[in-house]
Amino acid sequence: AQTVTQSQPEMSVQEAETVTLSCTYDTSESNYYLFWYKQPPSRQMILVIRQEAYKQQNATENRFSVNFQKAAKSFSLKISDSQLGDTAMYFCAFPPGTSGSRLTFGEGTQLTVNP
Amino acid sequence: GAVVSQHPSWVICKSGTSVKIECRSLDFQATTMFWYRQFPKQSLMLMATSNEGSKATYEQGVEKDKFLINHASLTLSTLTVTSAHPEDSSFYICSATTGVKGYTFGSGTRLTVV
Repeated sequence: AQTVTQSQPEMSVQEAETVTLSCTYDTSESNYYLFWYKQPPSRQMILVIRQEAYKQQNATENRFSVNFQKAAKSFSLKISDSQLGDTAMYFCAFPPGTSGSRLTFGEGTQLTVNP
Repeated sequence: GAVVSQHPSWVICKSGTSVKIECRSLDFQATTMFWYRQFPKQSLMLMATSNEGSKATYEQGVEKDKFLINHASLTLSTLTVTSAHPEDSSFYICSATTGVKGYTFGSGTRLTVV
């Protein structure tokens, strides 16, 4: 079975500091994509970053970067220079199986950025 | 970028009535759409997967006669909650994909059944 685990239900960080959110997953596939989504209080799901499993280089999007460890099946999200607008629920997700298959989500991590 | 428009954003209905939620892909053709339900402070729970022109595939435990899904075209999928009851009150989100690289979400619908 394909599973995604986020072991940190809640985290907090001071504005301008760095925080890392953890995610582990399990799959028998060799090639797949991994995603981090954020859901702010508006509840709109927003793509933060995407990683292709066959690429060794970690994905980066401005202040957001990932630490992808394929052998360990780990996919953590690092947020640098945290901003108040980063306060949101963060979900790790991946589409196991074939192209276009449904996303499997982790339980989520509620991140609060404090001023 | 790909946009999915979901309406209504919130709805209040009386117990026993039906409610329809629409999701439209505005600038792309969505071959597959997903419908999720989300309770407060919880993750998204997949209810069903719909492909254009075919019957939806429901997840185990989801009542297909209560949650009717129609994907009549490549740009429109609808979820109808029939004979709604207070326990159906929740946040419903649709998502569309044209392949594994792209998943776009609607803005969600908050349903309250009174």
